[in-house]
Amino acid sequence: GAVVSQHPSRVICKSGTSVKIECRSLDFQATTMFWYRQFPKQSLMLMATSNEGSKATYEQGVEKDKFLINHASLTLSTLTVTSAHPEDSSFYICSARDVGSGANVLTFGAGSRLTVL
Amino acid sequence: GNSVTQMEGPVTLSEEAFLTINCTYTATGYPSLFWYVQYPGEGLQLLLKATKADDKGSNKGFEATYRKETTSFHLEKGSVQVSDSAVYFCALSGSAGSSASKIIFGSGTRLSIRP
Repeated sequence: GAVVSQHPSRVICKSGTSVKIECRSLDFQATTMFWYRQFPKQSLMLMATSNEGSKATYEQGVEKDKFLINHASLTLSTLTVTSAHPEDSSFYICSARDVGSGANVLTFGAGSRLTVL
Repeated sequence: GNSVTQMEGPVTLSEEAFLTINCTYTATGYPSLFWYVQYPGEGLQLLLKATKADDKGSNKGFEATYRKETTSFHLEKGSVQVSDSAVYFCALSGSAGSSASKIIFGSGTRLSIRP
């Protein structure tokens, strides 16, 4: 089946530094990927829609200059948290839709836990 | 806009008990409905789905029926196992346009099964 890989799975960084998280579709092409943020014991909040070859579409309230998204190929989207602060600590999850599957079903990565000290 | 409301957890049951996790939604048109499951330390996995009214999604003994008249998609299982302990998310995607590709999640319900 479709597999989405995220890297790194865990990252700890100092306040003020930038962190890049990668999301790869391993056995299918994804023109669209989605980035979510999950706070402890809460639901997933959609942050942005990553579109291959064009700018990402951000949800209301999400700072596009803070969360930079690049979708340079059909199998890779990256999320860069710039000048990270402790309040950015969270679980970030990406997903991608295998358009070849026909149905509107997303495959999720295992997530990346960011801790900002 | 579209939204999903599901019962708050945590829910704790004994093994072999009957499970119901309620989920209701608000959406225009005819959304697709999903249940996702997140096992400890893992990413979300699609558990089941239904794409039109009266459809019943089923998988691993879990079932949910798309009820348009009550805008509900309750998750049920007749006899739960310890291995079912996880967080369950109800979700929907819109029926058309840009909302068709976005999935909106409920707040999640943590389920714990006692041996």
